[in-house]
Amino acid sequence: SQTIHQWPATLVQPVGSPLSLECTVEGTSNPNLYWYRQAAGRGLQLLFYSVGIGQISSEVPQNLSASRPQDRQFILSSKKLLLSDSGFYLCALSIRSGSDTQYFGPGTRLTVL
Amino acid sequence: AQSVAQPEDQVNVAEGNPLTVKCTYSVSGNPYLFWYVQYPNRGLQFLLKYITGDNLVKGSYGFEAEFNKSQTSFHLKKPSALVSDSALYFCAVRDVSSGSARQLTFGSGTQLTVLP
Repeated sequence: SQTIHQWPATLVQPVGSPLSLECTVEGTSNPNLYWYRQAAGRGLQLLFYSVGIGQISSEVPQNLSASRPQDRQFILSSKKLLLSDSGFYLCALSIRSGSDTQYFGPGTRLTVL
Repeated sequence: AQSVAQPEDQVNVAEGNPLTVKCTYSVSGNPYLFWYVQYPNRGLQFLLKYITGDNLVKGSYGFEAEFNKSQTSFHLKKPSALVSDSALYFCAVRDVSSGSARQLTFGSGTQLTVLP
């Protein structure tokens, strides 16, 4: 079965600093990959999704960007963090030939001070 | 377009009592429906899904959900609640006819608290 790793687990960064969050997956090939942000322990906001290497779609305009340099690697980045970027960031995958079930990683808690 | 609503932010139930967490959806075509659970500072865990077939779907940890097409609902249920069921629950939907990225739309979540 598939496994999702997210690194780091927690991060505290000052406003204006850069950001790089990494998501790697095991146990499946050519998945769809997703980045979500969850604020205040509630609803999920889809930030980016990717259907393949180098293919990124953005759901909302924001201070963040995403890249998929390898089939099983999905990176969330920012050049300059804002206070509003604080939140719980979740990476997820779905298997293209499956029933669209999304499987989630353990998440990264980002606090911007 | 697809959407999902969880009308209750908070549900409290006594241990041993049955629990229900409500979900209604809206899609243009036929839905795929999902329930997830989230414990504090963890990712979402998949509980169960409805794709087609029997309207009553059984999932992990004794949970089940009933698909009701006429009421466009997919309520999560469990016959006897445990304190360990206390968590945040999310309903999600995908319109079968929607795009290639197979995106899900998530509800806002319902915090379930099971009281000892």
